[in-house]
Amino acid sequence: KAGVTQTPRYLIKTRGQQVTLSCSPISGHRSVSWYQQTPGQGLQFLFEYFSETQRNKGNFPGRFSGRQFSNSRSEMNVSTLELGDSALYLCASSKDRGQGTQYFGPGTRLLVL
Amino acid sequence: AQKVTQAQTEISVVEKEDVTLDCVYETRDTTYYLFWYKQPPSGELVFLIRRNSFDEQNEISGRYSWNFQKSTSSFNFTITASQVVDSAVYFCALSGTGINTGTASKLTFGTGTRLQVTL
Repeated sequence: KAGVTQTPRYLIKTRGQQVTLSCSPISGHRSVSWYQQTPGQGLQFLFEYFSETQRNKGNFPGRFSGRQFSNSRSEMNVSTLELGDSALYLCASSKDRGQGTQYFGPGTRLLVL
Repeated sequence: AQKVTQAQTEISVVEKEDVTLDCVYETRDTTYYLFWYKQPPSGELVFLIRRNSFDEQNEISGRYSWNFQKSTSSFNFTITASQVVDSAVYFCALSGTGINTGTASKLTFGTGTRLQVTL
């Protein structure tokens, strides 16, 4: 069974731009969660999507948003990029909400200049 | 609020030594899951083990074993006969099980322990 895939793997943007990251969950998994990893803040939960609806949200500004499609694929968007948004963005999928192990993708490394 | 503490920032061992990674957690949930993940230099978080709060049986899986003690809120992870390929950052994580508590599907991670295994 294929694992979680994320595209692109690497991205360089400049301040003020916006970016969209994509995540395809493991086949049959319906819950997709996003995390941000930085050296200073560690791994932090961004949000979770299930059945095309955001079910849970972490403590991030409204510039961070996401969506989920009917095939469970998910995208996250960051608008008006700031230098501090440079991070590894990890996507994870699980079969259902609150009942399963989250399996992570390889991540997208975003560098904001 | 949930919190996970990994007091060990970095551990260095020689190959074939046993190593234990410590994890202490805080949660108000009555049922929860505890996890260990490994992050090699490539960046991907690799799932290692999961333990349910309502099952305190400690297990061994190959070279991995874990010691879950609810009374002390600890979930320690041991690698037996460490190998160079075990070098990575190890994260302990916690999530609730209740969909209505806001903690389900939300992993709270510790700060990680960097394990360096040398020959």
